[in-house]
Amino acid sequence: KAGVTQTPRYLIKTRGQQVTLSCSPISGHRSVSWYQQTPGQGLQFLFEYFSETQRNKGNFPGRFSGRQFSNSRSEMNVSTLELGDSALYLCASSLAAGTGYNSPLHFGNGTRLTVT
Amino acid sequence: GESVGLHLPTLSVQEGDNSIINCAYSNSASDYFIWYKQESGKGPQFIIDIRSNMDKRQGQRVTVLLNKTVKHLSLQIAATQPGDSAVYFCAENMNRDDKIIFGKGTRLHILP
Repeated sequence: KAGVTQTPRYLIKTRGQQVTLSCSPISGHRSVSWYQQTPGQGLQFLFEYFSETQRNKGNFPGRFSGRQFSNSRSEMNVSTLELGDSALYLCASSLAAGTGYNSPLHFGNGTRLTVT
Repeated sequence: GESVGLHLPTLSVQEGDNSIINCAYSNSASDYFIWYKQESGKGPQFIIDIRSNMDKRQGQRVTVLLNKTVKHLSLQIAATQPGDSAVYFCAENMNRDDKIIFGKGTRLHILP
């Protein structure tokens, strides 16, 4: 079974631009979560989608948004990019809403975003 | 490779020895705990999980111990191999509706 797939693998953008990242979950998984990983802050939760609805949201500004499609694939968008948005963006999927014992998050390899 | 943390605590272990990675979690109400392994250039990989009503759980070459009294979680890796070299994260959450909170991570370095 294929794992979580994220595209693109690398992105370079300039300040003020916007970017869209894509995530295909493991087949059969209906929940998709997004995380930002930086050396200084570690892994921080952005949001979770289940059945095309946002279930949970982290403490990020409104410039960060996402959506989920009927096939469970998800995209996240960052508008008006800032230098501090440079990070590894990770997508994770799980079978059911949220995560719990014997239903852990499975991560993709991320999209490395560099803002110049 | 990509660095996931510039100033992570580092544990150096001789190949073949056992490794013990420790984690202090923050929320006494947390009900579910997970260990992830992240190799350079890759996303976190699930290793093992445990519920708060358990003290110990074993997997293949790994054991997780949970001490709720002192809010401490540990991951034991038996017979450490070069492929175990990675950053290890503990994570916690209160319930299925809550987000997972990740720790800062520990870098495991294997000595030949």
